[in-house]
Amino acid sequence: ETGVTQTPRHLVMGMTNKKSLKCEQHLGHNAMYWYKQSAKKPLELMFVYSLEERVENNSVPSRFSPECPNSSHLFLHLHTLQPEDSALYLCASSQSATGETYEQYFGPGTRLTVT
Amino acid sequence: AQKITQTQPGMFVQEKEAVTLDCTYDTSDPSYGLFWYKQPSSGEMIFLIYQGSYDQQNATEGRYSLNFQKARKSANLVISASQLGDSAMYFCAMREGRSGYSTLTFGKGTMLLVSP
Repeated sequence: ETGVTQTPRHLVMGMTNKKSLKCEQHLGHNAMYWYKQSAKKPLELMFVYSLEERVENNSVPSRFSPECPNSSHLFLHLHTLQPEDSALYLCASSQSATGETYEQYFGPGTRLTVT
Repeated sequence: AQKITQTQPGMFVQEKEAVTLDCTYDTSDPSYGLFWYKQPSSGEMIFLIYQGSYDQQNATEGRYSLNFQKARKSANLVISASQLGDSAMYFCAMREGRSGYSTLTFGKGTMLLVSP
């Protein structure tokens, strides 16, 4: 089984819908991340959870709401999205410890289209 | 100012040749780390190689090596003996500081196409 899984892989939703993206890591990591990848733009960090606590929120609109119920699972709840929110949403995880940082392992992403 | 600059939008190389993908970075933090990731058309970001700012030697991982020139703030990825499966987007990323989790800043990427 791959280290980081994401479901669904593809999602089409209307602007009035509510949906959730799910990420699960099987690597024993304690930090998890959401990134947005739009066409022709660098990856943008959205949220960081370390030890199940949100530690970073990079000015993300409130229509994106993350949830981290435990160190293995991460959700991104979506509501009243805009067409410009169409993108590839990538989840990642890493091990973390004070004074050390480790590489992030990514899931395959969810390709989101907002109509 | 951009923290990570990848000046090559696209690169072409023939199979079995070596290729260098450029990356320059900008930071005033003495402690940082540089990463290279590969993203095939399937979308998943695959970690390739890491270089810490205090590492004395250039990092190597199989066919991948990182040409780290600290004074020039460059961290170029060298792929030796290119294979068709190396065709993908390649991203350079930087972690600054030594927090308990790694926040990465990514470049815009370079698309590498390997031809037979």
